[in-house]
Amino acid sequence: DARVTQTPRHKVTEMGQEVTMRCQPILGHNTVFWYRQTMMQGLELLAYFRNRAPLDDSGMPKDRFSAEMPDATLATLKIQPSEPRDSAVYFCASARVTGAAGELFFGEGSRLTVL
Amino acid sequence: AQKVTQAQTEISVVEKEDVTLDCVYETRDTTYYLFWYKQPPSGELVFLIRRNSFDEQNEISGRYSWNFQKSTSSFNFTITASQVVDSAVYFCALSESGSSNTGKLIFGQGTTLQVKP
Repeated sequence: DARVTQTPRHKVTEMGQEVTMRCQPILGHNTVFWYRQTMMQGLELLAYFRNRAPLDDSGMPKDRFSAEMPDATLATLKIQPSEPRDSAVYFCASARVTGAAGELFFGEGSRLTVL
Repeated sequence: AQKVTQAQTEISVVEKEDVTLDCVYETRDTTYYLFWYKQPPSGELVFLIRRNSFDEQNEISGRYSWNFQKSTSSFNFTITASQVVDSAVYFCALSESGSSNTGKLIFGQGTTLQVKP
């Protein structure tokens, strides 16, 4: 079965450290999403890409977060410097988006703890 | 603006009971899609159903059924004869479509369902 793969699954780091999360979308999908899940805010959309081009990153704190797609098989989400409030589960999802809204396929998430 | 409201934060039932999870949405689009996802304790979000705004027929899949009512902007999810394995967080989501289709989903806050043996 095709799956979205995320690494690392778990990350514990200290405040101020750089964190990079990686995502391999499903082959053939043209859109990649980054969501963050916390108890307080639920699932928030951070950024997304269509055909590797960023479409919207308004959900991200710009001063410390950055998202890129260096190629069609890799999406990255970087936090520098990390803060305790960034502790959350970060999900990558991919989809083949045409005129009709399709199903998003989610990875297993990267659980980040910033001490 | 689009919004999805799942008013039930937590529901607890005993196995074999039926349970309905409520979802109310807001959108100005005439064409849109509604989704339900399940998030079991393992953490991954699992797709359950997609329904477009022009199809108001109820759908049944095994013990799961969905009631879409455009007049009340609701898309409720019922589990019949619940089982312990149904314990999870369930999310309702809304997507734009057509010319404004970006593919992104707006999620509700989720309903945590606990099914006790």
